[in-house]
Amino acid sequence: NAGVTQTPKFQVLKTGQSMTLQCAQDMNHEYMSWYRQDPGMGLRLIHYSVGAGITDQGEVPNGYNVSRSTTEDFPLRLLSAAPSQTSVYFCASSTPSGGVETQYFGPGTRLLVL
Amino acid sequence: LAKTTQPISMDSYEGQEVNITCSHNNIATNDYITWYQQFPSQGPRFIIQGYKTKVTNEVASLFIPADRKSSTLSLPRVSLSDTAVYYCLVGDILGGATNKLIFGTGTLLAVQP
Repeated sequence: NAGVTQTPKFQVLKTGQSMTLQCAQDMNHEYMSWYRQDPGMGLRLIHYSVGAGITDQGEVPNGYNVSRSTTEDFPLRLLSAAPSQTSVYFCASSTPSGGVETQYFGPGTRLLVL
Repeated sequence: LAKTTQPISMDSYEGQEVNITCSHNNIATNDYITWYQQFPSQGPRFIIQGYKTKVTNEVASLFIPADRKSSTLSLPRVSLSDTAVYYCLVGDILGGATNKLIFGTGTLLAVQP
């Protein structure tokens, strides 16, 4: 199992550019989420999905789109990048297991918007 | 979602036991308490989860008093590699709601030789 993988590891964008952050998991988890983490801060939930075809907004969804066409993949799209979106982005997946649930996080994507 | 309060930072020395306390005064009946660990430049990693009393695994123990308004993560005999940020999360995780738990700013544990 590769777990949760994210690409790219690093990205530099200019203001106004668009891009897609990729996230994939091979654990057949139903639930997937995107978080952003700013320096010295905790993680903030952007969007999440409870299954293929189902997505919902988290705490800070503005400026981001998601879709979930397969169980494995959950891409995050930045429509028009802004410097305020400079952050580290983490993807996570989870599934209920005997009442004890955990999220498995990817290694993160570092995004710099100039 | 229950709000949590934890110390911003703690210092310790190698070999000591470290206890990090989290306050969650408005915890709901269905809420579980979950702790994550995050190293620099990595995603958070699950440590332990509990509902009441005491839970122990190979990494840590979690103590939850009867009123459940606080919890204490106990790390036995810490080493330098335990230097990390520790997050306490509280919420209803049944039915896959884990992904809607809120991460606070966490507790930065610095272990010195």
